[in-house]
Amino acid sequence: NAGVMQNPRHLVRRRGQEARLRCSPMKGHSHVYWYRQLPEEGLKFMVYLQKENIIDESGMPKERFSAEFPKEGPSILRIQQVVRGDSAAYFCASSPKLGDTQYFGPGTRLTVL
Amino acid sequence: KNEVEQSPQNLTAQEGEFITINCSYSVGISALHWLQQHPGGGIVSLFMLSSGKKKHGRLIATINIQEKHSSLHITASHPRDSAVYICAVDFGNEKLTFGTGTRLTIIP
Repeated sequence: NAGVMQNPRHLVRRRGQEARLRCSPMKGHSHVYWYRQLPEEGLKFMVYLQKENIIDESGMPKERFSAEFPKEGPSILRIQQVVRGDSAAYFCASSPKLGDTQYFGPGTRLTVL
Repeated sequence: KNEVEQSPQNLTAQEGEFITINCSYSVGISALHWLQQHPGGGIVSLFMLSSGKKKHGRLIATINIQEKHSSLHITASHPRDSAVYICAVDFGNEKLTFGTGTRLTIIP
C-alpha cells in the first residue's frame, strides 16, 4: 500500500503565475487535509476535504487559494497569481475515517521568485 | 482559544540519554498526535493518543487528560533520532493545531 503521494516535490514559479499542487491519498482514504509550513514557522491547517466536498476551509486565505478533491483523481491545491509570501512547504495528509491517524505526504516545496 | 505549547524548543543530548519532550494544550481535545519531521522535511506520524500510554520500540508517549499534558520519551537515544518532534492536537474539529516543535540533536 503506497503512502500519501505529492507532486511535484519542488515547484518554482514567478510572481503572478499559478501553482498547482497534487496529493494522492493512501488507498482507501477519503479524508484529505492540506497544511502549510512557512519558512522557520510551524505547520498550519489550511483545508479539510472529503471526496467532492470541502468540509473546513477556515485556514485557507480567502483570495487566490482553492482546493478540490474530485470523485476521481488526486486532491489539488491551487494558488493563483502567486506572491513571494506563498513560498512554503505544503503538506497533504490523509486518513481512512473521521478521527483516525493522519498520514503525511512528503510535501511540495514551493518557491516563488 | 485553542493553543498548543511545546518544550523545550531545542534539546541537545549525548547518545544513550533518556529524552523527554513535553506538550501542553489549553482546552479539551479528542486526540493528540506526535509527529517527527526529518532534516529533509518529511513528516512521520509516531503516535495518536486520546488517553493513557503507547509504546513503539524506544518511543513512549503518554497523555494526562486532566492536566492537559502529554510527553514523548525516547529511551537509549541515538543520533538517528535527531529530528524535529511536533505535538499536534485535534480539538474536536478534525483539523490539527500544531506546537512549534522541539529540535532534538543527539551527539554520538
